[in-house]
Amino acid sequence: AQSVTQLGSHVSVSEGALVLLRCNYSSSVPPYLFWYVQYPNQGLQLLLKYTSAATLVKGINGFEAEFKKSETSFHLTKPSAHMSDAAEYFCVVSDLPGNQFYFGTGTSLTVIP
Amino acid sequence: GAGVSQSPRYKVAKRGQDVALRCDPISGHVSLFWYQQALGQGPEFLTYFQNEAQLDKSGLPSDRFFAERPEGSVSTLKIQRTQQEDSAVYLCASSSRTEGNTIYFGEGSWLTVV
Repeated sequence: AQSVTQLGSHVSVSEGALVLLRCNYSSSVPPYLFWYVQYPNQGLQLLLKYTSAATLVKGINGFEAEFKKSETSFHLTKPSAHMSDAAEYFCVVSDLPGNQFYFGTGTSLTVIP
Repeated sequence: GAGVSQSPRYKVAKRGQDVALRCDPISGHVSLFWYQQALGQGPEFLTYFQNEAQLDKSGLPSDRFFAERPEGSVSTLKIQRTQQEDSAVYLCASSSRTEGNTIYFGEGSWLTVV
């Protein structure tokens, strides 16, 4: 079975500071891992995905995530936060192509000017 | 179409009323998912189709919820005798193995039961 744990339901950072959103997964098979972002009153948008090609994955808007098998983690980072990054971020795991996707509970990012 | 399209975007239903939510997936996408997202929560899985076959409906909260995809493209999520606890955003998503298993979401149908 697959599951995802996002540590910290709310994260606040100053504009220009490092963003770190934590995600740990549980999977009995090599996982497919994703980060999605949800801006207020909007749908879910893919930030980036890991599909075993490379452990460091770069996504849109300057975000990246590193797959660490030994730590079963897939933390999301961005070197410098921007006001427009304020949103809800979801870590998602799937085991097989086209199979069910499991969502974390989400982390709400606030950027302080 | 260019993306997953859902309708209606907003629906207010009186308690006890039946509602139908429509999803047009990305053309050619075999897999289609329905999720329920309550206010302040993450999406919760409802059901999953591969073409017209409903392979998993374990997330449907009660027998008042029913989903279909008769021709393997458009899907409808039906909720009978709506209750206040059904108020949520209903998200549809589709995916294709040829696109690296990425799921693409629609903007959701916001259901409010009064």
